[in-house]
Amino acid sequence: DAGVIQSPRHEVTEMGQEVTLRCKPISGHNSLFWYRQTMMRGLELLIYFNNNVPIDDSGMPEDRFSAKMPNASFSTLKIQPSEPRDSAVYFCASSHGLGDGELFFGEGSRLTVL
Amino acid sequence: SQQGEEDPQALSIQEGENATMNCSYKTSINNLQWYRQNSGRGLVHLILIRSNEREKHSGRLRVTLDTSKKSSSLLITASRAADTASYFCATGYSGNTPLVFGKGTRLSVIA
Repeated sequence: DAGVIQSPRHEVTEMGQEVTLRCKPISGHNSLFWYRQTMMRGLELLIYFNNNVPIDDSGMPEDRFSAKMPNASFSTLKIQPSEPRDSAVYFCASSHGLGDGELFFGEGSRLTVL
Repeated sequence: SQQGEEDPQALSIQEGENATMNCSYKTSINNLQWYRQNSGRGLVHLILIRSNEREKHSGRLRVTLDTSKKSSSLLITASRAADTASYFCATGYSGNTPLVFGKGTRLSVIA
């Protein structure tokens, strides 16, 4: 298996622009997670899905952030409009179930908002 | 907060020495996991220990869990320069609750 695939790996954009990050989880995994990592705040859980259904989005910082999972093999995290404080590395991870097994992480999308 | 806390925040050792990292947590867990993150990469799962286990080994890794003290330790024996990375503990809970990650320990192994 190719593992969790994220795109783009790097994105540089200007403040106010829309940013869309994409994730393809491992086939057969039924849970998908979006994390944000910064030096100041560490690894933050933004939102997670189980069987394509959003379970908890309380970690999403603002209404500018939204996430979708239209099917079992694809998810997006959108920021509109983007702000410089959104600069971070965004990780997608997938697993069988929720807290009882191993999480498989993608390589991350490094976002820089100027 | 359920978040685990790693200690120390940073650790620098010579190649060949052992490295020990600790993780403490606040509420009862179902399992505890350790992950490694190389610079610029995603986290990679190292080992999972369940609440009814006390010790687990995987190659040069040894993990212990003391549920009475709500703490775990990760020991890397005979460290190598390639072990340089950040190490995170993550606590797992029963039910539909995702893992909770700590802030990590940055390990530097000097050749």
